[in-house]
Amino acid sequence: KNEVEQSPQNLTAQEGEFITINCSYSVGISALHWLQQHPGGGIVSLFMLSSGKKKHGRLIATINIQEKHSSLHITASHPRDSAVYICAVHRSQGNLIFGKGTKLSVKP
Amino acid sequence: EPEVTQTPSHQVTQMGQEVILRCVPISNHLYFYWYRQILGQKVEFLVSFYNNEISEKSEIFDDQFSVERPDGSNFTLKIRSTKLEDSAMYFCASSGINRGGSEQFFGPGTRLTVL
Repeated sequence: KNEVEQSPQNLTAQEGEFITINCSYSVGISALHWLQQHPGGGIVSLFMLSSGKKKHGRLIATINIQEKHSSLHITASHPRDSAVYICAVHRSQGNLIFGKGTKLSVKP
Repeated sequence: EPEVTQTPSHQVTQMGQEVILRCVPISNHLYFYWYRQILGQKVEFLVSFYNNEISEKSEIFDDQFSVERPDGSNFTLKIRSTKLEDSAMYFCASSGINRGGSEQFFGPGTRLTVL
């Protein structure tokens, strides 16, 4: 069983749509990351959360520690948001465990 | 803005050969990591490094792998005798003070192809 589960695996949206990507985890964590992986392979850190909610531009990330669940929202989606979005959790010992990622495609 | 760099961007090698992947972490960071991503699969943790020694390693990081910080700037991953299944993208990352809860900054990756 994967310790970090993401849904959906693939997501196609029209430009302007509101997007939600979900992440559930089963281990004790000290923090959760949302990462963006571009088609070329590079990984960019979007958020690191240990509680509550964070916002950066059109991106919003929330985490519910009790329910072991996090969501990444994208408002007013744009084709340049097309990428793989990865949820990764810091186990209490420190190393990251990654989800399989959600491939987002935003159509103009 | 400081960034993690990796060289080479792409390495092609013959099975059984040794390869060294190089990383330059962000200069004031204290924790260093290597991850790999086999094509089409999720990113996997290999090893973390702090204070000139391995702090944690995964089952993947067997005796064929080693890491080193040979000077004050470089952080290297060596694979002694490459296998076909070592073909993957290898990412280096670094973080600042708190290993358990500090943002990690990733390099652009090295694509290793073992023939």
